[in-house]
Amino acid sequence: NAGVTQTPKFQVLKTGQSMTLQCAQDMNHNSMYWYRQDPGMGLRLIYYSASEGTTDKGEVPNGYNVSRLNKREFSLRLESAAPSQTSVYFCASSDNYIQYFGAGTRLSVL
Amino acid sequence: DQQVKQNSPSLSVQEGRISILNCDYTNSMFDYFLWYKKYPAEGPTFLISISSIKDKNEDGRFTVFLNKSAKHLSLHIVPSQPGDSAVYFCAASSNSGYALNFGKGTSLLVTP
Repeated sequence: NAGVTQTPKFQVLKTGQSMTLQCAQDMNHNSMYWYRQDPGMGLRLIYYSASEGTTDKGEVPNGYNVSRLNKREFSLRLESAAPSQTSVYFCASSDNYIQYFGAGTRLSVL
Repeated sequence: DQQVKQNSPSLSVQEGRISILNCDYTNSMFDYFLWYKKYPAEGPTFLISISSIKDKNEDGRFTVFLNKSAKHLSLHIVPSQPGDSAVYFCAASSNSGYALNFGKGTSLLVTP
């Protein structure tokens, strides 16, 4: 049982480049989330999708867009990457209060 | 504004002793609280949770206590083992949705 799968695991971008972080879950959960974690900080919510076809902003949405492609997949897009977006990104899914996380994508923007 | 606070960035405990990790919150609308454990280069994994209608929940070596009047919860690990060394995050949610508010984490080191 894979749970929540994130790709890629690592990525280095130059300022201004774009990229999409992929997330897929196989637990048939309705809700999916994107968080970022910075050194000395907890996880901060970027965007979430309560159900297929809906998305909502979290605490730190600026500079990001999301797509809930289907029930399994929830992608996060950086249209024009900035050094401030250097972080570790976690995707999660849930059907109740307990969220299950992927292993993360470590992104560096130079 | 940080609604969930973990004021101790780190904690060191000897193997076999009790580890107590603390968490405070400010939002009285929170009704569900969770603890996650995170190893380096891995995602957070769910450890234990408690509903606001309870004051204690136990799962093996892990017990979470909730004091609603003080807006405080704590995680007790007894006995502590070296494999418990990790970063522990406190998180809270309100009944308006399932989005979690996380604290900054406490790094626990259990020494042999």
